[in-house]
Amino acid sequence: SQTIHQWPATLVQPVGSPLSLECTVEGTSNPNLYWYRQAAGRGLQLLFYSIGIDQISSEVPQNLSASRPQDRQFILSSKKLLLSDSGFYLCACDSFNEKLFFGSGTQLSVL
Amino acid sequence: QKEVEQNSGPLSVPEGAIASLNCTYSDRVSQSFFWYRQYSGKSPELIMSIYSNGDKEDGRFTAQLNKASQYVSLLIRDSQPSDSATYLCAVKLGGTASKLTFGTGTRLQVTL
Repeated sequence: SQTIHQWPATLVQPVGSPLSLECTVEGTSNPNLYWYRQAAGRGLQLLFYSIGIDQISSEVPQNLSASRPQDRQFILSSKKLLLSDSGFYLCACDSFNEKLFFGSGTQLSVL
Repeated sequence: QKEVEQNSGPLSVPEGAIASLNCTYSDRVSQSFFWYRQYSGKSPELIMSIYSNGDKEDGRFTAQLNKASQYVSLLIRDSQPSDSATYLCAVKLGGTASKLTFGTGTRLQVTL
């Protein structure tokens, strides 16, 4: 079964600073990869998904971008963080049986 | 109308009782249904999946699906304090990517 590595666990950043969150996956090849965000008291919102290297789909317009430079690496970025970017960011991966599994998440606080 | 709806709770049940968690969805072409458990500050953990009408049992958990009524539920038998968490219902349309749509979750409290 696959293992999803996501770091850091917590991050505090000032408004206007850049962001880079990295996710790597082990134990599978050519996975579909996802970035979700969970704001306080709200549900999980799909931000980006990728079916392959350099193939990124954005679900909602926002201040964030994603890249997939390698098969098992997915990166979430921002050039200038906003207060509204605060939340719990989750990388996820699905296997051939289409079940979605999550990494441990990054709690981002923008101050 | 929300695509996936859940009662936010909290749903409080005594230890040893059956907890019943409900979820409705709006898209009739939804094909796959999932229940995730999420402890506070942790990532969601997949506990059940169901694809066809009827019941599916796994240990103390039973998922129930009724596509005609667009309704999926999760029963937890012999509830334990360790079951106290938020339970997320997720729905997937057909397609190549698991683009799940999540409900906002039901918080379950199992009391001693």
